[in-house]
Amino acid sequence: KNEVEQSPQNLTAQEGEFITINCSYSVGISALHWLQQHPGGGIVSLFMLSSGKKKHGRLIATINIQEKHSSLHITASHPRDSAVYICAVNYGGSQGNLIFGKGTKLSVKP
Amino acid sequence: NAGVTQTPKFQVLKTGQSMTLQCAQDMNHNSMYWYRQDPGMGLRLIYYSASEGTTDKGEVPNGYNVSRLNKREFSLRLESAAPSQTSVYFCASWPRGLYTEAFFGQGTRLTVV
Repeated sequence: KNEVEQSPQNLTAQEGEFITINCSYSVGISALHWLQQHPGGGIVSLFMLSSGKKKHGRLIATINIQEKHSSLHITASHPRDSAVYICAVNYGGSQGNLIFGKGTKLSVKP
Repeated sequence: NAGVTQTPKFQVLKTGQSMTLQCAQDMNHNSMYWYRQDPGMGLRLIYYSASEGTTDKGEVPNGYNVSRLNKREFSLRLESAAPSQTSVYFCASWPRGLYTEAFFGQGTRLTVV
């Protein structure tokens, strides 16, 4: 069965720290998504990757296709970054036919 | 623009009752999806509609039906609710193209007692 594994499950950081969340998957994919779920429950798309690296502000996402691994980095973390970060992969087929990781719960302390 | 709107936000049902979760998007997207999120598990796809007039099953379709009423609206119906359907339900829509990002609704928290 195709799986998506995220690590760590939980992460506590001090404001200003550099944060890395990892995602591994089992077979070749067509696209990988990073999502953010706020404490209130809403989900926002952060990145879609098929190769290489993308950057939005303090967020950086990378993917290594050969190693079947992606990382989400947050530089200069802030308490407002506290959320659950979810990795999801598309193994082919329709856009939203995704396998989701269980999420990484990040808490950034002031 | 409102994006993706789900109603209701919260609902409590008794076992055996029926209800319809509504989802509407105002971004002219072709594809719409319903997912459920359970504690300790990743989101799972219930049903999707790649275009107006088509629907397909996802990973966990049992106990649900869907209707793509028009391009804007995609509803999820529970005909006879069961406690196992207690979950948070998310609707999402996607612009055309594989390498695009999704837009999610705020979720519906459903409890079946």
